[in-house]
Amino acid sequence: DQQVKQNSPSLSVQEGRISILNCDYTNSMFDYFLWYKKYPAEGPTFLISISSIKDKNEDGRFTVFLNKSAKHLSLHIVPSQPGDSAVYFCAASAHGGSQGNLIFGKGTKLSVKP
Amino acid sequence: EAGVTQFPSHSVIEKGQTVTLRCDPISGHDNLYWYRRVMGKEIKFLLHFVKESKQDESGMPNNRFLAERTGGTYSTLKVQPAELEDSGVYFCASSQGMNYGYTFGSGTRLTVV
Repeated sequence: DQQVKQNSPSLSVQEGRISILNCDYTNSMFDYFLWYKKYPAEGPTFLISISSIKDKNEDGRFTVFLNKSAKHLSLHIVPSQPGDSAVYFCAASAHGGSQGNLIFGKGTKLSVKP
Repeated sequence: EAGVTQFPSHSVIEKGQTVTLRCDPISGHDNLYWYRRVMGKEIKFLLHFVKESKQDESGMPNNRFLAERTGGTYSTLKVQPAELEDSGVYFCASSQGMNYGYTFGSGTRLTVV
């Protein structure tokens, strides 16, 4: 049974608009969450993370929101750019995000159209 | 700083053959991880080394998979004998243990025919 779920396989957004990628999790032991971005034929690249003691973390155009009661997190990209087109993976850790294995979702393919 | 390097980038082998994948982590990173992504599915954890010791190998599918990290530097992942369901992209990642996420390599795409 999947512990981290990304229910939207794909998302298409116009350049300049906001992209919202969603992720749900089931394990209440998760205490750290990460978003990775992956281009074809490359490995995932760390994008942004959030600890379970926070509800928001912002880094430039990227903001991650965490709703622990709903076991839901989202990644907001604003404004979206064509170079943001990639597969985005949500991942969770029960080890603080520094060691130990990550549990990944299946990914959401974001297409940003000029 | 060199990133995480994986070799080969692609490998096509026949069922029953042996394949060895190699990962060179970022220099100084004690933590090394192997993950695998089967087509269209999530990236799944295989195992975690801290230096040369296996910290967690709970994700290894079965005893056809053998991972080593002699001397705590590079790591190899051997699949022997390979089966069709072993096909996928094998990613290696490393970290220093700080709270900023892992650095992944580009992966090895393994195809078993």
